[in-house]
Amino acid sequence: AQSVTQPDIHITVSEGASLELRCNYSYGATPYLFWYVQSPGQGLQLLLKYFSGDTLVQGIKGFEAEFKRSQSSFNLRKPSVHWSDAAEYFCAVVPLGHKLSFGAGTTVTVRA
Amino acid sequence: EAGVAQSPRYKIIEKRQSVAFWCNPISGHATLYWYQQILGQGPKLLIQFQNNGVVDDSQLPKDRFSAERLKGVDSTLKIQPAKLEDSAVYLCASSPRTSGGEETQYFGPGTRLLVL
Repeated sequence: AQSVTQPDIHITVSEGASLELRCNYSYGATPYLFWYVQSPGQGLQLLLKYFSGDTLVQGIKGFEAEFKRSQSSFNLRKPSVHWSDAAEYFCAVVPLGHKLSFGAGTTVTVRA
Repeated sequence: EAGVAQSPRYKIIEKRQSVAFWCNPISGHATLYWYQQILGQGPKLLIQFQNNGVVDDSQLPKDRFSAERLKGVDSTLKIQPAKLEDSAVYLCASSPRTSGGEETQYFGPGTRLLVL
């Protein structure tokens, strides 16, 4: 079945450390790819998106993501996390001609 | 630019009662979406409107859920009667283009529903 997988349910990282969140998809063709962040009690905010072109995408809040076709992955990274980055992160894809599908999310906890 | 507005932000009802949620999309956005987000899961599409017409309502439980977008702007999602399993966050999103293209969806803050 076609799907979006975020293998890590919960990640804890120290403030100032690097962060990487994994996302894999299983669709035949390369879909459009998104990362959203959801802070507690808030809606989803778009961090970045990939449609085509350069496979390294820069987003807001210092985040970046790299599309790797060979691995069907679109991992999100941040070199140095801040306490305000504690939130839930969702990878989402739009296969050509289909609707937006979300992964189950990864909760990030930042410790001092 | 104002974002997607939703109200109420929180709602607590008893099972078998009815409830309605309201959404005002970003000005000029033709496409409007309603999602249901159950705790611990990603959002799931309930219904998609293009202007005031329904594009996709395949995941909408039509025996109890209904939605409308009469003038192609604001939208209302209704649940009648509510069940315990309807407890979730209901998210509204809008995008400037039709589905399948390079549109980006912008989300509102959501309405948290608790059914007791």
